[in-house]
Parts: sequence; structure tokens; C-alpha cells
Amino acid sequence: DTAVSQTPKYLVTQMGNDKSIKCEQNLGHDTMYWYKQDSKKFLKIMFSYNNKELIINETVPNRFSPKSPDKAHLNLHINSLELGDSAVYFCASSQGQGDQPQHFGDGTRLSIL
Amino acid sequence: QKEVEQDPGPLSVPEGAIVSLNCTYSNSAFQYFMWYRQYSRKGPELLMYTYSSGNKEDGRFTAQVDKSSKYISLFIRDSQPSDSATYLCAMSSISGGYNKLIFGAGTRLAVHP
Repeated sequence: DTAVSQTPKYLVTQMGNDKSIKCEQNLGHDTMYWYKQDSKKFLKIMFSYNNKELIINETVPNRFSPKSPDKAHLNLHINSLELGDSAVYFCASSQGQGDQPQHFGDGTRLSIL
Repeated sequence: QKEVEQDPGPLSVPEGAIVSLNCTYSNSAFQYFMWYRQYSRKGPELLMYTYSSGNKEDGRFTAQVDKSSKYISLFIRDSQPSDSATYLCAMSSISGGYNKLIFGAGTRLAVHP
């Protein structure tokens, strides 16, 4: 049983296109996150939602728009893709916003041609 | 200076060796300290989670936190080839009511038979 699942696993697309990544968690958590891991493996938070409300919004271009239809889902839509958007995007979830650890999905590998 | 510093390695050890992985940090407000293990093409998997200073042991893994020196360590005893992975330290503090994880760059570990 996958706890945090992301689709698609791989995404190869042209510069300028618009794409979406989906995330679902079945852990019953109320907080979800999007992270970006660059080619040097550095993992950095982009967004966080708690009970469908945006609580963390790091310095991310507004081409990136997260959406949380319910507590178990967090999607990421990216407009006008650029070469620098190539990375692995990880979804994570935790219970509450405080001291609980985060659990990660296996990532979506985005390659921009 | 990054908030969390971690030597990226790679670190190569023979099977059965004791492995020591370390991170230093600059933000004295960090209270929660985690170690994640990340296999190739997989998401980070939580290994150890500690709050404040002290030691925590779980099987072959021991996590140490020294808040006075702003230094955390993960020790792996009797290392196995299956321990070969990237190890990420992460830490957080609660700010504005929510918890933001800051990751180190990750240390690549190879355990050879």
C-alpha cells in the first residue's frame, strides 16, 4: 500500500508547455508539501497546505500553482515550462504543522527539452 | 552560508564498518532533527527523528544531537551493502505556527562487500 503516491513518475516535455503533477496520500494526514530536488540532490520546499489552506509559499515563480481539492490530495500545475524547471518534484505529507515528521512520495522526474 | 551544511561525499566503506555521517547548522532555533535515507530514484525515507539534544538508538542506527555545538550525527553499525544510499539530514523549528524542514545536501554512502 503506497502511502504517498505521485503521478506521473516521469514527465518529458517541451519548453513553453503547461503540465500538472498529482499527489495523493492515504495516511490520513492533514498537511501536504511540494519539494523540488535539483541536479545536486538539494531538496527545497516550495509549498505547503494544511487542511486545504496554503501555509507555506516559498520564493517560487508564479508559473507554479498548487491546488489542494481535499486533505488527501495536492496537485502542482506549472505554466510555460522553462529549462530550469527540470528537476525531481517530491510530494510529502505530515500530521499537523508542528513537530510530526514528513513522509515522501517517490518523486516525479520532470525533463524539459 | 547555508543554514545546514553536509558533506556530499561520496563515502565508501567496507561491509561491517561503522559509518559516521554528520551535519552542522547555524540556526539555533532548530528543535527537531531528522535523518532520511534516499535510494536511487526513490523518495526520502525517514530513518531517525529526535527532538532537542541527546542520543537515540534504533537497531544499527544511532542519532546524536549536540545543540551546543550545532552538530548532529548518524552512526550506522555493522554497515551492509543495502545501506548504500544518500543520507539527508533535516531540521526544523516551529515558526509562525508551522514547521518548515531545511535539508542538508545529502551524503552518498557506498558499502562494498
